Amino acid sequence: EPEVTQTPSHQVTQMGQEVILRCVPISNHLYFYWYRQILGQKVEFLVSFYNNEISEKSEIFDDQFSVERPDGSNFTLKIRSTKLEDSAMYFCASRGQVGGYTFGSGTRLTVV
Amino acid sequence: GQQVMQIPQYQHVQEGEDFTTYCNSSTTLSNIQWYKQRPGGHPVFLIQLVKSGEVKKQKRLTFQFGEAKKNSSLHITATQTTDVGTYFCAGPGSGNTGKLIFGQGTTLQVKP
Repeated sequence: EPEVTQTPSHQVTQMGQEVILRCVPISNHLYFYWYRQILGQKVEFLVSFYNNEISEKSEIFDDQFSVERPDGSNFTLKIRSTKLEDSAMYFCASRGQVGGYTFGSGTRLTVV
Repeated sequence: GQQVMQIPQYQHVQEGEDFTTYCNSSTTLSNIQWYKQRPGGHPVFLIQLVKSGEVKKQKRLTFQFGEAKKNSSLHITATQTTDVGTYFCAGPGSGNTGKLIFGQGTTLQVKP
C-alpha cells in the first residue's frame, strides 16, 4: 500500500523560530494538501497545491506559512516565525484524480 | 461559511452493541467521504459516497448518503474493540481544489 511519509514525527521549537515540515506524497498523485489538527479537535484545511502552485489556502495560512515542492518529490510546509498557537498535528495528504486522500502519519509541532 | 456538523461527539458502547454517527452539511455536497482516526494516528480513508440515497457496506460498516446530499451516516453493527477511534465525515469545500471540510468527528469507545 503506497504511503505518504512525513518527517519529523515530532518537532519542538522555540516561539519565533522557523520550522520546516517535510512530506513525500505518493508518487503518482497530483494534488497535495496540508491540514492541521489541534489536539482533540477536527482536521482543518491549510493549503492545497497542484501543478507546482498553491491552488487554495485557508485563513489560517497567513504570510507566516509557505509551501514548496522543491525537487518534484518532497513537499514542504514552512512556518517562518512560530507562535504558541501553531502547536498542533500537521498532516500532509495527497490524492489522485479520483477517490479519497491518503494522509501521512503527521508531524506533532510543539511551540514553547 | 460552509459547515459540516457531526453528532454525537462521543459514544461509549459495550462490545457487540451497534453504533451510529450522523453528519450534516450546511450545503449540498457533490460527495461525502468518511475517515477513521485511531488514537494517536492519522485519518485513514474509508469510503466516498457520490449518489443521492447511496448506501454502501464494508463488512460491519454501513454508509449512507441522504437523498438531498446534505447528510450522511455511518452505522457499525456489533462493535468490536478494533472499532475504537474517531470517525470523521468530510465534504468538498467550495472551489475546485479538492479541499475537504471535516466534521468535528465522533469518538467511539468500546468496552470489552
